[in-house]
Amino acid sequence: KAGVTQTPRYLIKTRGQQVTLSCSPISGHRSVSWYQQTPGQGLQFLFEYFSETQRNKGNFPGRFSGRQFSNSRSEMNVSTLELGDSALYLCASSSPVTSGGAVSVDTQYFGPGTRLTVL
Amino acid sequence: QKEVEQDPGPLSVPEGAIVSLNCTYSNSAFQYFMWYRQYSRKGPELLMYTYSSGNKEDGRFTAQVDKSSKYISLFIRDSQPSDSATYLCAMRIGAGNMLTFGGGTRLMVKP
Repeated sequence: KAGVTQTPRYLIKTRGQQVTLSCSPISGHRSVSWYQQTPGQGLQFLFEYFSETQRNKGNFPGRFSGRQFSNSRSEMNVSTLELGDSALYLCASSSPVTSGGAVSVDTQYFGPGTRLTVL
Repeated sequence: QKEVEQDPGPLSVPEGAIVSLNCTYSNSAFQYFMWYRQYSRKGPELLMYTYSSGNKEDGRFTAQVDKSSKYISLFIRDSQPSDSATYLCAMRIGAGNMLTFGGGTRLMVKP
């Protein structure tokens, strides 16, 4: 199976612009989560989408938004970019792991990330 | 104070050493505990996950969870240079996908 893919891999924007990042999950995975990774704050959860609906949301301002399409592909958008938005944005897809016939918890698989630089 | 604390390192060990990586956390509601490995310029890769307290072993890796102390560990036996990476602990409360990560420990295994 192909892994999680993210496009673009690198992006340079200026303050005030907006950006859209794309994530294609592993085939068959219906949940897609987004994370921001910075040297200072580490990995922080942005939001999760499942079956085109936002299921969880982290503590980020409304400038950060996302959506999921019927094929489970997801996009996240950041409007009015700030210097502090420079980060690695990671997407993870997941599917429940079955064990002994019982559905267990989801296991997340991460993509390589999109490196966003805001100048 | 962060919910999950992890010594950032770097931790430098010789090849073949036993490595101990640790995280402490403050939220007693965490039930699921994971360890991820992240190589430079790559996304995190799941190594181990454990539900509640106890030990779990997978090859050279052993994960331990002590919920009474709010402390989790990852042990790597017979460490190899290819184990050189950043190791992240992560936790979540329920079966959803909202993970809370530690800051990561950078490990260097020298030949």
